Amino acid sequence: SAVISQKPSRDICQRGTSLTIQCQVDSQVTMMFWYRQQPGQSLTLIATANQGSEATYESGFVIDKFPISRPNLTFSTLTVSNMSPEDSSIYLCSVEEPRGSPFTFGSGTRLTVV
Amino acid sequence: LAKTTQPISMDSYEGQEVNITCSHNNIATNDYITWYQQFPSQGPRFIIQGYKTKVTNEVASLFIPADRKSSTLSLPRVSLSDTAVYYCLVGDPQGGKLIFGQGTELSVKP
Repeated sequence: SAVISQKPSRDICQRGTSLTIQCQVDSQVTMMFWYRQQPGQSLTLIATANQGSEATYESGFVIDKFPISRPNLTFSTLTVSNMSPEDSSIYLCSVEEPRGSPFTFGSGTRLTVV
Repeated sequence: LAKTTQPISMDSYEGQEVNITCSHNNIATNDYITWYQQFPSQGPRFIIQGYKTKVTNEVASLFIPADRKSSTLSLPRVSLSDTAVYYCLVGDPQGGKLIFGQGTELSVKP
């Protein structure tokens, strides 16, 4: 299965600023997925990122708040913009490679907004 | 995607067998049942997947009755290191995304 490197592993940020999270995969993958896990909660899918096209966002998530880049088949970034304390969560990227196989997750980015 | 219902939490002791049941009454014909495990400060990790009857691997067994409206994850002889959150997911493996339910927080005590 694919190996995912996600960074930063954690960060503490001031409200009103933005943070970009990087996700690097050791193989080429068609789709990459970004999740949010709020404290004590399950995972919520933010968006699906395909290379060469705009990300597809789930209900409740918008591009202005969570812009995503997917410049190639091994890399993606998620930016959390204009942060507020409510954005304090763990953000995880995930891939499914090959298609139909179990998903692999990164170790997550623990974000605290103060 | 079929919605799942599982207990919020379970307690067990080392050496016991743990069975976590998941209900998925609206499972579709093409849906598979997949279980993931998540330790604190880590991303979820795949445990087992099945379509019907019984599947077993080195970590767990998955029991699925004929009507497929529920499934049971069985962990034999748990240890303290099995303390984690276990998620039951139902969907078409070709569906392209995973939707997580609430999960079951398993606490294994000495």
